[in-house]
Amino acid sequence: QKEVEQNSGPLSVPEGAIASLNCTYSDRGSQSFFWYRQYSGKSPELIMSIYSNGDKEDGRFTAQLNKASQYVSLLIRDSQPSDSATYLCALPHITGGGNKLTFGTGTQLKVEL
Amino acid sequence: EAQVTQNPRYLITVTGKKLTVTCSQNMNHEYMSWYRQDPGLGLRQIYYSMNVEVTDKGDVPEGYKVSRKEKRNFPLILESPSPNQTSLYFCASSRGRSSQGAGETQYFGPGTRLLVL
Repeated sequence: QKEVEQNSGPLSVPEGAIASLNCTYSDRGSQSFFWYRQYSGKSPELIMSIYSNGDKEDGRFTAQLNKASQYVSLLIRDSQPSDSATYLCALPHITGGGNKLTFGTGTQLKVEL
Repeated sequence: EAQVTQNPRYLITVTGKKLTVTCSQNMNHEYMSWYRQDPGLGLRQIYYSMNVEVTDKGDVPEGYKVSRKEKRNFPLILESPSPNQTSLYFCASSRGRSSQGAGETQYFGPGTRLLVL
């Protein structure tokens, strides 16, 4: 089993709808999770991080973490065409004091007018 | 402006011709890393560095070298590039040791698109 798994999509939602992106992970010891957004041909940019079970909200974005079920999700409310991108889930691994990130392969989101 | 820069942004080369992709950050970060991104495979770590003169292999180090002589710079070297190294490469940096395994935000450079013929 891969360490981090995401459905590659594309996930298509109409403008104004809620987009739900999911990520499952295999390491029960994982303590924190990141969601990155990547526009086509561009570099990943961090949009959310979550460390505790439950929900974390930041504007139109909500990250949800369920450690017992080993999944983390990202909800985007009032989806806009500018949200169309690939969303990457990432787990940090503390290796020798550094911070290696293991990424999922990403879910492509398309927000349609 | 806090940033990670990479050069060149685009590069076409031929098999066996040594090349270097430079990476520089101005945030005084201890940790720097190189990733490659390929369709269907996502981002995979090539090498990382925890500080000056401290480097280690990531998940896909074969065919690559790195060095960390200065804190701000972390060049990626392809001694003898091959077509399977055609990819999109990202450099990233972050603060070093995090508390209680929380992880640190990584900041990515703009990417270098490499084509090896």
